[in-house]
Amino acid sequence: DVQLLESGGGLVQPGGSLRLSCAASGFTFANYAMNWVRQAPGKGLEWVSRIGGSGTITYYADSVKGRFTISRDNSRNTLYLQMDALRAEDTAVYYCAKGQSGGQAAALNYWGQGALVTVSS
Amino acid sequence: DIQMTQSPSSLSASVGDRVTITCRASQDINYYLAWYQQKPGKVPNLLIYAASTLQSGVPSRISGSGSGTDFTLTISSLQPEDVATYYCQKYNSAPLTFGGGTKVEIK
Repeated sequence: DVQLLESGGGLVQPGGSLRLSCAASGFTFANYAMNWVRQAPGKGLEWVSRIGGSGTITYYADSVKGRFTISRDNSRNTLYLQMDALRAEDTAVYYCAKGQSGGQAAALNYWGQGALVTVSS
Repeated sequence: DIQMTQSPSSLSASVGDRVTITCRASQDINYYLAWYQQKPGKVPNLLIYAASTLQSGVPSRISGSGSGTDFTLTISSLQPEDVATYYCQKYNSAPLTFGGGTKVEIK
């Protein structure tokens, strides 16, 4: 079975940094694009970032571009999101989500349980 | 960037009713449209991809249609377990924008 397990969430002060990890199992990790999606408390879903299977192609939402960095280690079957210069509006549950394929055009067919990031002083 | 607009933002219907949710893209996205269901306190779940292809395990009372800019999610006979918020998402190219969501409740 496909499993995605996020870790690394927590409380951080504005301007601080945090790194989320997503450990994947149950599929050939390197063959699939991976995404981060977030959901602020009581709000809707917001796509954050995508990385291709090889890790060379990345995309970001305008709201995080220049502050967040997505990466992956295919030898460890792990996805990362490095979050710098955090703001209060980055407070959300962050989900890692698997693309249906390795290509750019892929819906998100498996989601992790989420990691809560709270940015507050 | 392409914007995704869902309507209505919420609805209340009786068990057995036919429910329709619409999603409009600000530009042509062909058939690259997915629908997700998020039950209260739960993780989002993929229902439909390629505008009308049902994900494995999704009940057949749920269907999707449309292409280009206008899309529809239909629940043919609303059941109590369908109480959830539904989101559309474009995925032809980044950014993979979600619609604002439609909260479905039982009357």
